[in-house]
Amino acid sequence: EIVMTQSPATLSVSPGERATLSCRASQSISSSLAWYQQKPGQAPRLLIYGASTRATGIPARFSGSGSGTEFTLTISSLQSEDFAVYYCQQYYTWYTFGQGTKLEIK
Amino acid sequence: QVTLKESGPTLVKSTQTLTLTCTFSGFSLSTSGVGVGWIRQPPGKALEWLALIYWNDDKRYSPSLKSRLTITKDTSKNQVVLTMTNMDPVDTATYYCAHRQGVSGSYDYWGQGTLVTVSS
Repeated sequence: EIVMTQSPATLSVSPGERATLSCRASQSISSSLAWYQQKPGQAPRLLIYGASTRATGIPARFSGSGSGTEFTLTISSLQSEDFAVYYCQQYYTWYTFGQGTKLEIK
Repeated sequence: QVTLKESGPTLVKSTQTLTLTCTFSGFSLSTSGVGVGWIRQPPGKALEWLALIYWNDDKRYSPSLKSRLTITKDTSKNQVVLTMTNMDPVDTATYYCAHRQGVSGSYDYWGQGTLVTVSS
């Protein structure tokens, strides 16, 4: 099973600043990676797939990068609605999710 | 407009079998490339993928839960059914169904989820 490790577990950032979230795979997954945003009481929302392609309707302030085993989600200028939990997911072999990064207001 | 909605019992007892139904609209599970999956999330914890069924009836299961899971589809009713046997309190979670995006393995549309509590 491919293990996905996200860091940090919690990230405190001020509105308007940049946030950088990391995700590492236990083995190479090429670019078979997605990022999701989840707010309390809501289903996850697809942000990025193919490691760097924004899903339909996702603002340009969200960007993804990386390939192989190291991936990054960057939110360029945090808006109030961006504070949530973020999950990475690999779909190279079956599907596994990371444990999540909680993005909180500093 | 793609929508999915989960339905089923909110409370089951240990050792019982859970049956959940995902009713969807806005796409057809007979269209090439389409898939519907199930993902769960215990309270306060991370997401866990469970199963996926494709338009051609190909099925995939989480290796760790494969012996307990069965996924089926009824194309005429636009429904996907997940059964999980031998339920345990650790299976208490919100269960989501989701549409698998055709160009990748990501899930682009999700149901609202249904919380299933397993009592001992």
